[in-house]
Amino acid sequence: DQQVKQNSPSLSVQEGRISILNCDYTNSMFDYFLWYKKYPAEGPTFLISISSIKDKNEDGRFTVFLNKSAKHLSLHIVPSQPGDSAVYFCAARTEYGNKLVFGAGTILRVKS
Amino acid sequence: DAGVTQSPTHLIKTRGQQVTLRCSPKSGHDTVSWYQQALGQGPQFIFQYYEEEERQRGNFPDRFSGHQFPNYSSELNVNALLLGDSALYLCASSFTVLSTGELFFGEGSRLTVL
Repeated sequence: DQQVKQNSPSLSVQEGRISILNCDYTNSMFDYFLWYKKYPAEGPTFLISISSIKDKNEDGRFTVFLNKSAKHLSLHIVPSQPGDSAVYFCAARTEYGNKLVFGAGTILRVKS
Repeated sequence: DAGVTQSPTHLIKTRGQQVTLRCSPKSGHDTVSWYQQALGQGPQFIFQYYEEEERQRGNFPDRFSGHQFPNYSSELNVNALLLGDSALYLCASSFTVLSTGELFFGEGSRLTVL
């Protein structure tokens, strides 16, 4: 039962352009959504989050959009940099505790 | 400020053996969660410990057990290892009063079962 899905296994973008990573979910009880970035041989690191009561959250080059009616969220990175190349995980949380449900991840490659 | 530390970083076991993985949470954090990340998949929640008790558990068999110590550090034990237990095991810590859901992860323990 995959409650959080990232349907694109990989994405390749030119440096300076926009990267858009997508995520779909099925559980309407999720109240918080997060994006994590993971480099090889490192643990995932928190990138940005959004509450279900909002539709947009921005932090520097990173913006997350939430469309509750479509049960869809996306992460926009503008402009993309080679150092952004990593695996990006979408995660969601219900209000009961800090258990996160992760998607399978999207490998982002930013070409210089 | 030390982050989440895990040991060992890599280990190899054979089927049927038992393994213990260790985790020290980020300074100031009192809650530890364990996740299993199989190859090509996202992390899957195993269980969460707070105040030395298991508070939540994911869909994992009883072969997976844990413990939290008074200093908030934690252990993950897996008995009767199967080939399918080969994965990266991630420890994450948080401070319970925070409601953002943000977890801080360690680098993980890579377990290979032969």
